[in-house]
Amino acid sequence: AQSVTQLDSQVPVFEEAPVELRCNYSSSVSVYLFWYVQYPNQGLQLLLKYLSGSTLVESINGFEAEFNKSQTSFHLRKPSVHISDTAEYFCAVSEKGAQKLVFGQGTRLTINP
Amino acid sequence: DADVTQTPRNRITKTGKRIMLECSQTKGHDRMYWYRQDPGLGLQLIYYSFDVKDINKGEISDGYSVSRQAQAKFSLSLESAIPNQTALYFCATSEGTEIYNEQFFGPGTRLTVL
Repeated sequence: AQSVTQLDSQVPVFEEAPVELRCNYSSSVSVYLFWYVQYPNQGLQLLLKYLSGSTLVESINGFEAEFNKSQTSFHLRKPSVHISDTAEYFCAVSEKGAQKLVFGQGTRLTINP
Repeated sequence: DADVTQTPRNRITKTGKRIMLECSQTKGHDRMYWYRQDPGLGLQLIYYSFDVKDINKGEISDGYSVSRQAQAKFSLSLESAIPNQTALYFCATSEGTEIYNEQFFGPGTRLTVL
């Protein structure tokens, strides 16, 4: 069965510093991978997703994630964070042919000025 | 107006009470989901529905029931609420039949069971 582990529950960084949020998944078949973001007091929003093709995917606000099949990882990165990036980030996986997403535990990203 | 709405936004109830959380969407999507969010556990799927006649249990359906009254409405009921059902509940929708389609989430309902 598919599962997702987000290795850090909280990540504090300074504004304009780089950040990496780690995500590892477990599955015996091919998967789709997602990052969702939850801003304070809001529902989740899709940030980016990997379906196939290029292993590097990007979002419109400067985040990127790279699918690494050998390490079963899909880490999220941003070279320079802004205060507005403060949120909780959820990695999610779905096995191809499955009908539901499995979410990780979430990583709370806190940006300090 | 928001595409996915949830009512109520906050609810405090007592153990043993029946409670219903409602979700409505104007996106025209067939698929709807109910999740609960607990700190440190992420989101867990309670029920999901592919259309009005197709409802499926998720990972943690015990203690919950759902009703898909129309394409646009999907309600979650707690027949006899208990304290460990205190959580943040989200409704979500998605288009089409592929799981990789984006899920659109409502703002959430914060439920406290005393």
